[in-house]
This record gives sequence, C-alpha cells and structure tokens, in this order.
Amino acid sequence: QVQLVQSGNEVKKPGASVKVSCKASGYNFITLGLSWVRQAPGQGPEWMGWISPNNGHTRSAQKFQDRVTMTTDTSTRTAYMELRSLRSDDTGVYYCARDLSQWLVGLPDYWGQGTLVTVSS
Amino acid sequence: EIVLTQSPGTLSLSPGERATLSCRASQSVSSTYFAWYQQRPGQAPRLLIYGASNRATGIPARFSGSGSGTDFTLTISRLEPEDFAVYYCQQCSGSPYTFGQGTKLEIK
Repeated sequence: QVQLVQSGNEVKKPGASVKVSCKASGYNFITLGLSWVRQAPGQGPEWMGWISPNNGHTRSAQKFQDRVTMTTDTSTRTAYMELRSLRSDDTGVYYCARDLSQWLVGLPDYWGQGTLVTVSS
Repeated sequence: EIVLTQSPGTLSLSPGERATLSCRASQSVSSTYFAWYQQRPGQAPRLLIYGASNRATGIPARFSGSGSGTDFTLTISRLEPEDFAVYYCQQCSGSPYTFGQGTKLEIK
C-alpha cells in the first residue's frame, strides 16, 4: 500500500533552517509528483510547492520561493523540503503529499503523517 | 492568486441529516483541477472528491460534489457520526494552488 513516512517533529530557533524528509513506498516513486503543504495551528492547509521526482522540476508559491528548497533522492525514494530563515509564523505541521495522477499536478491523494515544526526562541 | 471562500464557517447538524457545503472561487477554476478534502483532528487531510464530482477511492457514495466555474458544492446525503470533521476545498488550476479556509461540520 502507498505510504509516505515523514521525519520527526522539530524545534528550531528563529533564523535557523529545518529539513523535513518524506520516504515513499508502495508505488513507482518517479511517476508522480509530490507537494509540500503546511498547516499553521487552527488554520487551513497552505500549498508551499511541488517537485517531480522524475526530473527534479519544482514549482513553489511565491511567498516561499526565496526560502524553500525541495529535492528528491530516487535511490532511497525520499523527498526533502528545507525551509530557511525560520520565523515564529512558520510554526505548523508540514505535510508531503503525492499527486493523484500525472495530469493533476498539485492535487494530492496520499499524505504523510505530518511533521510539527515549532519555531521559538 | 485564486482565493477560495468556503461557507458556512461552521455547520451544525444531526446524524442522518443532509449537509451542503459551498466553496466560491475568486476567479473561474477548471473543474478538472478542483477537489474536496476531509480532515479529522490530528490527522492529515483525506481526499474525498476530485475533478469537482469524482469520488476518490474508498469514499462512500453519500459524498457527492458538483459545480463549475466559480461555485462548487460538497453534499453529504445522510450524515454518519464519522463525518463530523473539517472540510476544505482546493484548486490546482493556477499557481499557487490554494485551499479554502474550511467548514467545520459539528454535531448539533
């Protein structure tokens, strides 16, 4: 069965960076894109960006463009999202999520369990 | 950026009743790239409907979606206890791919 297993919760200080991993199993990793979505406490989901494991192409929301790097390692079927220059309002749960199909970029069906990132001095 | 506005913010109903949730887009969205999700406390969102009206794998027939352009609707025909949760709409027609702010469906 399809699974996306994310790395553990993180506590970071303002100005630091965080790197979240997402290990995929149960499907052909390179055929479907992955989005990164975050959810601040009590808020709706917010799409951050998307990566194609096939060719490394990325798309990201303009508000994160300067601070986010998304990568994949096809040998380990793992995706990574690094967010730099963390601020207190970056606190939230970060999800990786797999595209439903090759033709529905950014529309996820399977989601990771989420990684809580807390930014606090 | 396409803004999705969901209404109502909170919907109070009883099990067995019919629920109608709305999502309005600030500009036209292709139905192909429109979806609904359910989120229970402490869980990741779960895909319910894609392409505005197609149920995702394993989603019960009591869930249905409709709409086009700027107005979309999620209907739950007869509420079961497990349906009380928060529901989000999403568009991936234009970047950034946005979500609505959510409708909380609570037990009356």
